[in-house]
Amino acid sequence: AQTVTQSQPEMSVQEAETVTLSCTYDTSENNYYLFWYKQPPSRQMILVIRQEAYKQQNATENRFSVNFQKAAKSFSLKISDSQLGDTAMYFCAFMKDTGANSKLTFGKGITLSVRP
Amino acid sequence: ETGVTQTPRHLVMGMTNKKSLKCEQHLGHNAMYWYKQSAKKPLELMFVYNFKEQTENNSVPSRFSPECPNSSHLFLHLHTLQPEDSALYLCASSLAGGLSAQYFGPGTRLLVL
Repeated sequence: AQTVTQSQPEMSVQEAETVTLSCTYDTSENNYYLFWYKQPPSRQMILVIRQEAYKQQNATENRFSVNFQKAAKSFSLKISDSQLGDTAMYFCAFMKDTGANSKLTFGKGITLSVRP
Repeated sequence: ETGVTQTPRHLVMGMTNKKSLKCEQHLGHNAMYWYKQSAKKPLELMFVYNFKEQTENNSVPSRFSPECPNSSHLFLHLHTLQPEDSALYLCASSLAGGLSAQYFGPGTRLLVL
């Protein structure tokens, strides 16, 4: 079974600064996806960024980028130029290729607060 | 916002009530999911439907009964729930098969008294 660990329950960052959220996972699979989802307070969970395990290049989406270390099974999210709207819970998630089902395994999440 | 809607957004029910949660997706997806989100716990996958067929039941108690009449609609029928069932219930959808991202609805905040 896969596990996803987000060991930091909460973090805080000053507006305009950079913050890195950590995530580790455990799997024996070779082909899988990793995701970061964002859940703002009382709002919808949205996909922030995804990474295919077979790609060595780290994914980037505007101010969001990941540091994917496959051998270390580490998948951290870097948020540059933090904005107040980045305040949210962030979930790291793992998906293995099961053919028919796209099953996500989530970490417990981390609460990020951006200070003005 | 993401093409997945859920109703109601909030629900309070007694342990003897019967209620249903509804999810609808407008993304052309063919897989739909129910998750339970409790405080301080990871999201728990409850059910998976691919092309209207249930392909996953993650040991969910029978007081939760899903229904998927077509690829765009998903229901969760609730009866004789317990207070510990109080949580945020999230619906998601994706393309079936392979490694496809899931898109979530806003959730139904359920309180069982």
